[in-house]
Amino acid sequence: AQSVSQHNHHVILSEAASLELGCNYSYGGTVNLFWYVQYPGQHLQLLLKYFSGDPLVKGIKGFEAEFIKSKFSFNLRKPSVQWSDTAEYFCAVSGGYNKLIFGAGTRLAVHP
Amino acid sequence: EAGVAQSPRYKIIEKRQSVAFWCNPISGHATLYWYQQILGQGPKLLIQFQNNGVVDDSQLPKDRFSAERLKGVDSTLKIQPAKLEDSAVYLCASSLGTSGRNTGELFFGEGSRLTVL
Repeated sequence: AQSVSQHNHHVILSEAASLELGCNYSYGGTVNLFWYVQYPGQHLQLLLKYFSGDPLVKGIKGFEAEFIKSKFSFNLRKPSVQWSDTAEYFCAVSGGYNKLIFGAGTRLAVHP
Repeated sequence: EAGVAQSPRYKIIEKRQSVAFWCNPISGHATLYWYQQILGQGPKLLIQFQNNGVVDDSQLPKDRFSAERLKGVDSTLKIQPAKLEDSAVYLCASSLGTSGRNTGELFFGEGSRLTVL
């Protein structure tokens, strides 16, 4: 069965600090990988996605993620976070039929 | 472009009562999803429609939950009777289809928050 594991449930950073959120998945076939973000009071929205090709993908607002197939990982990174990055971040995997399986999420709080 | 519309935004009911949530997806999106998000957890897929047919309802508690998408556009999710553990945010999402570069990119509504007392 497909599953997604996010290592950190809560992360607290100061502005300008670097961010890395861990994500590991379990799936037996070809997968598509995603990071979604939910800002306070807003709906879930796509941050970035990986389907194939270059394993380093860039998303909106300076975020990037690296797909490491051998480690079944898709970690999210940002070199310098801002207060406006305070949100909850969800890693997700999609296999057949476009079924999206989410991790439990990581709450990021950025202090000015 | 209008987003995914959901109503009501909030609902408080007592256990054993019934509740219904409505979703109108983005125009032209063939696939519609209902997710349940319990506090502190990630969204869990309840049911997925492709047009008006069910693609996946393996995690839908069919003894109390039902969903329909009769004309392949908007959808209703019903819970009857509700239990305390049904307290959650019910998210509706839509996507263009199941193939191509848009695979997996879901557009979410703001959700319907249910509290069961």
